Amino acid sequence: SQKIEQNSEALNIQEGKTATLTCNYTNYSPAYLQWYRQDPGRGPVFLLLIRENEKEKRKERLKVTFDTTLKQSLFHITASQPADSATYLCALESGGYQKVTFGIGTKLQVIP
Amino acid sequence: EPEVTQTPSHQVTQMGQEVILRCVPISNHLYFYWYRQILGQKVEFLVSFYNNEISEKSEIFDDQFSVERPDGSNFTLKIRSTKLEDSAMYFCASRSQGTYNSPLHFGNGTRLTVT
Repeated sequence: SQKIEQNSEALNIQEGKTATLTCNYTNYSPAYLQWYRQDPGRGPVFLLLIRENEKEKRKERLKVTFDTTLKQSLFHITASQPADSATYLCALESGGYQKVTFGIGTKLQVIP
Repeated sequence: EPEVTQTPSHQVTQMGQEVILRCVPISNHLYFYWYRQILGQKVEFLVSFYNNEISEKSEIFDDQFSVERPDGSNFTLKIRSTKLEDSAMYFCASRSQGTYNSPLHFGNGTRLTVT
């Protein structure tokens, strides 16, 4: 069966450091992968999309890598700030390109 | 920036009652979705809707659930006879295209509490 695995344990890092979150998947052949941010009691907010032919994508302090051989994406936040504290979700699309499935998310806590 | 709006923000209902959750997607979007999130669990796909019909649905989306786009702007999720286990946050989302360069835009959800 298809699986999207994220470390569901919280990640605590010191302000200013780089946070690295991992998304692994099985039984998908995704054309692209998305990352979202979710704050408590709110809907997910889109951050970045990376295509299968892209190794890396950047947006301001965010960087995403995508390795289709390892079936893994890494999400980096550089110079992390307390405002970056949230749950980060990895998402893949399957089937008729309309069903977007989310991982459980990794909760990031940036400590001042 | 346009956004997806959902009403009500919180709905309390008794077991066995019908509920309708309402969403106004972004106006030029073509694909519409409902997701739910039980407290502490993942955001789960329920159903996608395109061209006035369901395009995909999950195992969760059984005969108790239905969706409708009654007037070209609203998108509703109806649960006919609610169960305790339907208690969750329900998120509506929309996107402009079916794939590629087309992220989902979510509303802030309706918290459904079934007592």
